[in-house]
Amino acid sequence: RKEVEQDPGPFNVPEGATVAFNCTYSNSASQSFFWYRQDCRKEPKLLMSVYSSGNEDGRFTAQLNRASQYISLLIRDSKLSDSATYLCVVNPAGTYKYIFGTGTRLKVLA
Amino acid sequence: SQTIHQWPATLVQPVGSPLSLECTVEGTSNPNLYWYRQAAGRGLQLLFYSVGIGQISSEVPQNLSASRPQDRQFILSSKKLLLSDSGFYLCAWSVGVYSNQPQHFGDGTRLSIL
Repeated sequence: RKEVEQDPGPFNVPEGATVAFNCTYSNSASQSFFWYRQDCRKEPKLLMSVYSSGNEDGRFTAQLNRASQYISLLIRDSKLSDSATYLCVVNPAGTYKYIFGTGTRLKVLA
Repeated sequence: SQTIHQWPATLVQPVGSPLSLECTVEGTSNPNLYWYRQAAGRGLQLLFYSVGIGQISSEVPQNLSASRPQDRQFILSSKKLLLSDSGFYLCAWSVGVYSNQPQHFGDGTRLSIL
């Protein structure tokens, strides 16, 4: 089983739609969680950290479910500019490593 | 504020040639430094990381090596490149451990081996 698993997609959604991605992780000792966005042929950029209580940043909401070992990302009112690959990242406790999922592709259609 | 610089942006090299990619971080001390490779259409593969000067941890046995001659400088090298070394190389930094801090990436180097 992969340490971090994501549905590769693509998720094709119309502008204005709400879309949600899930990501599961296998290491129950995982401590820190993040969502990154990667545009084609570009470096990953931090979208948001994921806190235990859940957190929101504008149209983006992240949730953590430690019991079921998954994190989620909800995007409301999708924009064309949201089209990208979204990477789930887990930092296990006591390590310097960051474990990346392979990403979920989102295409927002006009 | 912290910044990370990585160069060159693109590189075309023949098989068997040497490689040197450099990454520097500004605005922070004693960062954790990382080298990743991303093959086309694939996920990020951790190659090396370093938590201090002269300290290198290797994740994948291969013909690449890394060095950290200064606190904020991280170098990826190879003596002889293989076709399979083609890819998008990314340098990243983070701070601490148990810190809940994310990684931050450089712009990347796109390496093509001919």
